[in-house]
Amino acid sequence: DTGVSQDPRHKITKRGQNVTFRCDPISEHNRLYWYRQTLGQGPEFLTYFQNEAQLEKSRLLSDRFSAERPKGSFSTLEIQRTEQGDSAMYLCASSLQGSYGYTFGSGTRLTVV
Amino acid sequence: AQSVSQHNHHVILSEAASLELGCNYSYGGTVNLFWYVQYPGQHLQLLLKYFSGDPLVKGIKGFEAEFIKSKFSFNLRKPSVQWSDTAEYFCAVNIDSGYALNFGKGTSLLVTP
Repeated sequence: DTGVSQDPRHKITKRGQNVTFRCDPISEHNRLYWYRQTLGQGPEFLTYFQNEAQLEKSRLLSDRFSAERPKGSFSTLEIQRTEQGDSAMYLCASSLQGSYGYTFGSGTRLTVV
Repeated sequence: AQSVSQHNHHVILSEAASLELGCNYSYGGTVNLFWYVQYPGQHLQLLLKYFSGDPLVKGIKGFEAEFIKSKFSFNLRKPSVQWSDTAEYFCAVNIDSGYALNFGKGTSLLVTP
């Protein structure tokens, strides 16, 4: 097991395009989290899954953001109609239920031009 | 508003100097406290965590932190830093055993030879 994997590492897109990021958590972890980190800031919580259920999504930044975890394994984060303000590092983390041992991935850096 | 404050945004130390990074939070409920480190080009890694018990917790690489409930603080310390400690350090708080981590803005540490 090599930890939490995120793909792609970097994404450059034109404003208005849709983008999708993938996260593969540690295999035995049933909880998965998405965070966003902008320059000079700490990570900001976006959403959270327990198995395939999205238990918290009210902190997604707008209705252009959505996330899925269809089989309780990998997850995708989609941003529709990207804006320049969406440029950031998008981080995924996973953990076991009842454990606060979050393991973070290396992130996907999004640049919207 | 609930928040996590890290007082020093940039710290420069010489090797062998002592380190203390401040972290204060404003939550009134039960808290779990964390320090994460991000080395250049790497993902966030857990340094140490506090849930309960002895307020002085020891982490990896010689780091320790002290939880002072009356001061709402969780400062990170290391008696003698090394060049390899150059990194970004983030304090994070989990409140009321919830799922999200609330991060501070981070402190960038540069250790010079």
